[in-house]
Amino acid sequence: KQEVTQIPAALSVPEGENLVLNCSFTDSAIYNLQWFRQDPGKGLTSLLLIQSSQREQTSGRLNASLDKSSGRSTLYIAASQPGDSATYLCAVDPGNQFYFGTGTSLTVIP
Amino acid sequence: NAGVTQTPKFQVLKTGQSMTLQCAQDMNHNSMYWYRQDPGMGLRLIYYSASEGTTDKGEVPNGYNVSRLNKREFSLRLESAAPSQTSVYFCASEWGGEQYFGPGTRLTVT
Repeated sequence: KQEVTQIPAALSVPEGENLVLNCSFTDSAIYNLQWFRQDPGKGLTSLLLIQSSQREQTSGRLNASLDKSSGRSTLYIAASQPGDSATYLCAVDPGNQFYFGTGTSLTVIP
Repeated sequence: NAGVTQTPKFQVLKTGQSMTLQCAQDMNHNSMYWYRQDPGMGLRLIYYSASEGTTDKGEVPNGYNVSRLNKREFSLRLESAAPSQTSVYFCASEWGGEQYFGPGTRLTVT
């Protein structure tokens, strides 16, 4: 069974700092990896999808990378803002199901 | 284009009562999913449907049933609710490896 781990569980940074969130998975046989944002009491919003043939994806201040052989993905957030405060989750897709990490709770301090 | 919608948003049940959670998507996606989210556990897959007329068990199917009524709708039924089913339930649809989530149903079983 695929196990997905996100470290750290919580992170607090001052506004303007660049930061990296980590996601690791135990089985490298995946098709896709997706990063989400979840605000308190809300659903999940898709941030970036990395397909197995890709190594990274960028959207605005966000950059996600994928290294399937080592079972790792990182989400880089540049110039963090208080509005980035949320929980960030990664999910891996081995073919017909998705497995989620427990998330990193990010607080950006003004 | 409403995306993925879920009803109800909140529900309180007594132990032993039954209810159906409704989910609909207007994006013409083949695949749909039901998850539950519990503190410290991340999202866990209950059931999924790869296409109209098919359903499969996920990681935590016990105590639940599903119906893929048509391509748009995928419902989740609790036949005899238990306190262990207190959770937030999310429905999602998927296209090209990317998942799209509904806003969730917060269910409390007393």
